[in-house]
Amino acid sequence: KAGVTQTPRYLIKTRGQQVTLSCSPISGHRSVSWYQQTPGQGLQFLFEYFSETQRNKGNFPGRFSGRQFSNSRSEMNVSTLELGDSALYLCASSLVGFGSPLHFGNGTRLTVT
Amino acid sequence: DQQVKQNSPSLSVQEGRISILNCDYTNSMFDYFLWYKKYPAEGPTFLISISSIKDKNEDGRFTVFLNKSAKHLSLHIVPSQPGDSAVYFCAAANNAGNMLTFGGGTRLMVKP
Repeated sequence: KAGVTQTPRYLIKTRGQQVTLSCSPISGHRSVSWYQQTPGQGLQFLFEYFSETQRNKGNFPGRFSGRQFSNSRSEMNVSTLELGDSALYLCASSLVGFGSPLHFGNGTRLTVT
Repeated sequence: DQQVKQNSPSLSVQEGRISILNCDYTNSMFDYFLWYKKYPAEGPTFLISISSIKDKNEDGRFTVFLNKSAKHLSLHIVPSQPGDSAVYFCAAANNAGNMLTFGGGTRLMVKP
């Protein structure tokens, strides 16, 4: 079974630009979550989608948004990029229900210059 | 306010011995706990989990212990192998949600 696939693996953007990251979950997984990892803040929850609806949202500004498609694939978008947005962005998918662990992709490394 | 804490940034263990990684949490609403292993340039890999109705869960060389009264969990790896060298994260969730709160991680080094 293929794992969680994230594209692209690496991105370099300039301040003020916007970026879209893509995530394909494990087949059969309908919940997709996004996390940001930085050296200073560690792994932080961004948002979760299930059945094309945002179920939970972390404490991030509105510049961070996402969506999920009917095939469970998900995208996240960051607008008006800031230097502090440089991070590893991780997507995770899971089955629905208690006791279903999240399975992570290898992430997209975003560098903002 | 860190709700999940891993107070040891690093741990060094000899091959074949036991590795014990610790995690403390403050939110009593957490009812599901997980451990992940992470290699550089890869995403976290799920290792083992435990729900709050249990105090122990085993999977091969990995055992997780949960002490709800102390709000403490630990991961035991026996025997430790050099391939176990990685950063280990504990994470917690409540109400079956997929919003995980992670600890800061512990770097485990297993020496041959």
